[in-house]
Amino acid sequence: KAGVTQTPRYLIKTRGQQVTLSCSPISGHRSVSWYQQTPGQGLQFLFEYFSETQRNKGNFPGRFSGRQFSNSRSEMNVSTLELGDSALYLCASSSPSGGARGETQYFGPGTRLLVL
Amino acid sequence: SQQGEEDPQALSIQEGENATMNCSYKTSINNLQWYRQNSGRGLVHLILIRSNEREKHSGRLRVTLDTSKKSSSLLITASRAADTASYFCATDAVGSSNTGKLIFGQGTTLQVKP
Repeated sequence: KAGVTQTPRYLIKTRGQQVTLSCSPISGHRSVSWYQQTPGQGLQFLFEYFSETQRNKGNFPGRFSGRQFSNSRSEMNVSTLELGDSALYLCASSSPSGGARGETQYFGPGTRLLVL
Repeated sequence: SQQGEEDPQALSIQEGENATMNCSYKTSINNLQWYRQNSGRGLVHLILIRSNEREKHSGRLRVTLDTSKKSSSLLITASRAADTASYFCATDAVGSSNTGKLIFGQGTTLQVKP
């Protein structure tokens, strides 16, 4: 099976712009979670989608949003970019059960976003 | 906020030696996972241990879990230069509000010298 894929891999934006990142989960996985990784804050949970519904959300401002499509692909959007949004954004997918009791999350290579 | 605390933050050993990393967490968990990350790339899943398990092995990896102490350890035996990476523990807390959410420790940076 192909792994989790993320596009684009690298992105440079300027403050105030918006950005959309894409994640394709492992075939058959219906749960997609997103994380932000920065040197200062480490790995932090953004949100999780299952069957096109957001089931869980981390402690991030409303500028961070996401969605999931019927084929389980997911996108996250960051509006009005700030310098502090520069980070590695990782998505992860998990098993068909949706991880209700916690299942292995398989991560993609990440999208490295630089905000200037 | 991060639940996990990892110890040590950095570890440097010679090839062939064993490496031990520790992780502590704060709340009741369903399971604990260990991941490896090379140079800011994606996370590679190493092993998952459930809350009702005490020890698990996978190749050169041995993971222990002590839920009474809310701690886990990862042992890499006979380390290789290719094991050089950052290692993270991640927990998923019990409760429906925690669905799909992993809480990560700050990681241990392991350097294995040839």
